[in-house]
Amino acid sequence: GENVEQHPSTLSVQEGDSAVIKCTYSDSASNYFPWYKQELGKRPQLIIDIRSNVGEKKDQRIAVTLNKTAKHFSLHITETQPEDSAVYFCAASRYNQGGKLIFGQGTELSVKP
Amino acid sequence: EAGVTQFPSHSVIEKGQTVTLRCDPISGHDNLYWYRRVMGKEIKFLLHFVKESKQDESGMPNNRFLAERTGGTYSTLKVQPAELEDSGVYFCASSRWVTGIDEQYFGPGTRLTVT
Repeated sequence: GENVEQHPSTLSVQEGDSAVIKCTYSDSASNYFPWYKQELGKRPQLIIDIRSNVGEKKDQRIAVTLNKTAKHFSLHITETQPEDSAVYFCAASRYNQGGKLIFGQGTELSVKP
Repeated sequence: EAGVTQFPSHSVIEKGQTVTLRCDPISGHDNLYWYRRVMGKEIKFLLHFVKESKQDESGMPNNRFLAERTGGTYSTLKVQPAELEDSGVYFCASSRWVTGIDEQYFGPGTRLTVT
């Protein structure tokens, strides 16, 4: 069935360093790839997304890259800050077929001041 | 605009009992999704409503789970009878457009503990 593998499960970085989280998806028909951030005790919130016709997208300190051939996509956070500490989830979806999100297992990012 | 709300925030029940979770989507959102996260694993899709119709219920674990969305507004998810493995956080999400890409807005979740 459809699945998304996400690595690493935990990531600890020093404030100011970069963080990279990688995901691989199995459904080649997936065409929409959002990233959600869930802070402790709060709801998951969309931080960035990318469509299959784009290879890279950037929004201030965060960027996402997509390699459709290899079926993997990555989240890059630069100049990390303590408030970036959270669980990050990648997801894949066929947005034109209902849009259900297939999530990765999550990455717990800890940014140490 | 008010976000997605869920009730209750926590529920502790005994095995064999019944629990009903409620989700109020953002007003005007036709799509409503239920997801579940069990024991720190991935968030898993349960089902998708478009207005009052079930579009996709391929993720529902078994017939102990019943979801409804009468009138196309709020939705309920009933678990009857609850089993230990049903414990987890149940999330609801909503989005506006039936066609095209639209962000899914998540609720805060209901933490269900079955003892």
